[in-house]
Amino acid sequence: AQSVSQHNHHVILSEAASLELGCNYSYGGTVNLFWYVQYPGQHLQLLLKYFSGDPLVKGIKGFEAEFIKSKFSFNLRKPSVQWSDTAEYFCAVNAYGSGNTGKLIFGQGTTLQVKP
Amino acid sequence: DSGVTQTPKHLITATGQRVTLRCSPRSGDLSVYWYQQSLDQGLQFLIQYYNGEERAKGNILERFSAQQFPDLHSELNLSSLELGDSALYFCASSSHPGTGYEQYFGPGTRLTVT
Repeated sequence: AQSVSQHNHHVILSEAASLELGCNYSYGGTVNLFWYVQYPGQHLQLLLKYFSGDPLVKGIKGFEAEFIKSKFSFNLRKPSVQWSDTAEYFCAVNAYGSGNTGKLIFGQGTTLQVKP
Repeated sequence: DSGVTQTPKHLITATGQRVTLRCSPRSGDLSVYWYQQSLDQGLQFLIQYYNGEERAKGNILERFSAQQFPDLHSELNLSSLELGDSALYFCASSSHPGTGYEQYFGPGTRLTVT
């Protein structure tokens, strides 16, 4: 079965520090990859997505992620975090060949706390 | 605002009861997904509908059912509720039911079972 693993459950950073959140998935076929963010009390918002092409994708609010197929990874990065980045971050996979459905498999999430 | 609406925002009910959660997709989207977010299970896919028909099923309990109506809104019915059903239930919609299409999430319904 497909699964997504996020290595960091809780990350605490100071403002201006760099961020990298790990995400690995288990599926041998073609995938679409997503990072979603959930600010306190709000719904899930799409940060960025990878469907095909350049494995380095840029999203909103200065976030980027790199798809490394050989490592089954899609790590999220931001060079300098802000207090407003405090939120929960979810990595998600949509796998081709699983009945042609867009269902998302989510990781457990990483809570990011940025200290001012 | 994603364009996906969910009602109610909060729901408190007792064990053994039945509730209905409602979702209206973005204008033009034909596919609706339901997800459950709980502390112990995380975010899990429950079920997907496309243009009124069930498309895919995930970890949905037999006590739970869903449907999508001709106007494309969807309802998730939860019955014989247990304490463990307390969770945030999200609905998402997309223009196409298959892989490779972005999903837009609603604000969720927080269900508390007492």
